[in-house]
Amino acid sequence: KAGVTQTPRYLIKTRGQQVTLSCSPISGHRSVSWYQQTPGQGLQFLFEYFSETQRNKGNFPGRFSGRQFSNSRSEMNVSTLELGDSALYLCASTWDSPRSYEQYFGPGTRLTVT
Amino acid sequence: EDQVTQSPEALRLQEGESSSLNCSYTVSGLRGLFWYRQDPGKGPEFLFTLYSAGEEKEKERLKATLTKKESFLHITAPKPEDSATYLCAVLYNFNKFYFGSGTKLNVKP
Repeated sequence: KAGVTQTPRYLIKTRGQQVTLSCSPISGHRSVSWYQQTPGQGLQFLFEYFSETQRNKGNFPGRFSGRQFSNSRSEMNVSTLELGDSALYLCASTWDSPRSYEQYFGPGTRLTVT
Repeated sequence: EDQVTQSPEALRLQEGESSSLNCSYTVSGLRGLFWYRQDPGKGPEFLFTLYSAGEEKEKERLKATLTKKESFLHITAPKPEDSATYLCAVLYNFNKFYFGSGTKLNVKP
């Protein structure tokens, strides 16, 4: 079974631009979550989507948004990029059934904002 | 306030020197505790899920245990390839995951 895939793997953007990251979950997984990982803050939860609906949201500004498509693929968008948005963005998918909540992570997208 | 704390932040071991990593939590309504391994520049790799106090899981040199307040990841006779950052995460309330800050393990040959 193919794992979680994320594209692109690396991205360099300029302050003020916007960016869209993509995530394809493991086949059959219904939940997709996004995380931001930085050396100082660790793994911070952005949001979770289930059946095309945002089910949970972390404490990030409205510049961070996401969506999920009917095939469970998900995208996240960051508008008006700031230098502090430089991070590894991780996507994780979950089967989300009783006794099966473990998240499986993709390789991440390394975003650098200059 | 809900919290997950991992200790130590960093651990240096000699090859073959067994030790334990700790993950303590103060969330209400725990539904599961998860351990992950993360290598530099990569996504976390799932290791174990523990659902109830007293539960134990084993995989090669790793063994995870869970009590009502904390979890331990025991590493027996580690090898240099076990060097990585180990993360624990808790699932609580309605599908909310919270990750600890991790323990960076370095195993010297």
